[in-house]
Amino acid sequence: AQKVTQAQTEISVVEKEDVTLDCVYETRDTTYYLFWYKQPPSGELVFLIRRNSFDEQNEISGRYSWNFQKSTSSFNFTITASQVVDSAVYFCALSEARDNQGGKLIFGQGTELSVKP
Amino acid sequence: EPEVTQTPSHQVTQMGQEVILRCVPISNHLYFYWYRQILGQKVEFLVSFYNNEISEKSEIFDDQFSVERPDGSNFTLKIRSTKLEDSAMYFCASSESRFSNQPQHFGDGTRLSIL
Repeated sequence: AQKVTQAQTEISVVEKEDVTLDCVYETRDTTYYLFWYKQPPSGELVFLIRRNSFDEQNEISGRYSWNFQKSTSSFNFTITASQVVDSAVYFCALSEARDNQGGKLIFGQGTELSVKP
Repeated sequence: EPEVTQTPSHQVTQMGQEVILRCVPISNHLYFYWYRQILGQKVEFLVSFYNNEISEKSEIFDDQFSVERPDGSNFTLKIRSTKLEDSAMYFCASSESRFSNQPQHFGDGTRLSIL
């Protein structure tokens, strides 16, 4: 069965600290896609990154980086030098490859990140 | 940048009443979705829609729910006889193609409150 686990319910850091948000997934498929979304206090869901199961290269985008490790079924997200504006709930999500059908997203429970000044 | 728009932003309805939530997906997108997020919980898939028919639906999407694309631009979710437990944030999303690797772009959500 497909499942996404974000074990950290809440994380609180002080501005400029680095923080890593964990995500572990389960799937029987060999082809799948992983996503991170940000939900700021205003409530919308903002797409951050997509990774497919064949691409284990880590990715960096500014202060954000993602570490995909297929061997441990993890797709962790690190924010370097956190800022108050990073305060939000972050969701990891999984989509299984279903050609011509458009895969549903299976979300984790989310990690609420609070960055204090 | 094109975006998914949802109306209304907040809907308050008496239990047992019908409610229609509206969405305008991004114009060149082909796949449409509804998700639900009960306060403080994770986002849950309700239904996906392609080529004027439902592609997949979850267990939550029972007979009281229906979706429609009435005019080629709007995508609606109807809840026929609302219950207290339908109170949640409802998100509409769309994606560019029919392949699972395409990111889904979400609207700002409609907060539905059932009294």
